[in-house]
Amino acid sequence: QKEVEQDPGPLSVPEGAIVSLNCTYSNSAFQYFMWYRQYSRKGPELLMYTYSSGNKEDGRFTAQVDKSSKYISLFIRDSQPSDSATYLCAKGGAGGTSYGKLTFGQGTILTVHP
Amino acid sequence: EAQVTQNPRYLITVTGKKLTVTCSQNMNHEYMSWYRQDPGLGLRQIYYSMNVEVTDKGDVPEGYKVSRKEKRNFPLILESPSPNQTSLYFCASSLGGGGNAAKNIQYFGAGTRLSVL
Repeated sequence: QKEVEQDPGPLSVPEGAIVSLNCTYSNSAFQYFMWYRQYSRKGPELLMYTYSSGNKEDGRFTAQVDKSSKYISLFIRDSQPSDSATYLCAKGGAGGTSYGKLTFGQGTILTVHP
Repeated sequence: EAQVTQNPRYLITVTGKKLTVTCSQNMNHEYMSWYRQDPGLGLRQIYYSMNVEVTDKGDVPEGYKVSRKEKRNFPLILESPSPNQTSLYFCASSLGGGGNAAKNIQYFGAGTRLSVL
């Protein structure tokens, strides 16, 4: 079982929709989660991070963590065509020699059509 | 401008011909890492370095070498490339700092698309 599982999609939604992107994880020895966005032919860029104990909101984006079910989510409100990209979840902070390491999910391809 | 620079962006080579992909960062980051990205498999770590002269294997290190002689540079070396190393490669760097998420945000280069024939 992969440490981080993510539905690769693709996911297609109309402009203005609320998008829910999800990941599950199997190892509790970590401290934080990150969401990266990757546009076509570009490197991933950080969207936001959250610690395992809480949620975070940044504009139209909200990251949530459910420790009991080992589930992390990214919600996008009022989605725009410019949100079309691949979204990658990652976990990190396992400690010891794993400090600094991020373990990524497979990525979800999102298309927001006008 | 803070950035991670990879070269080349595109590379086509033949089996067995040694190649090097360069990576340089200008943010004085301690932690650097190489990933490969394949459809359905996501980003997988090849090698990482926590500081100068300190490198270690990631999840898929077979067939790759790295070195970290200077803080800013972290080249990826394929001594004898094979077709299964055809992939999209990313270099990334971060400050590095235990359980502090902000210090472990990784900044990625634009990627190197490698084809091994």
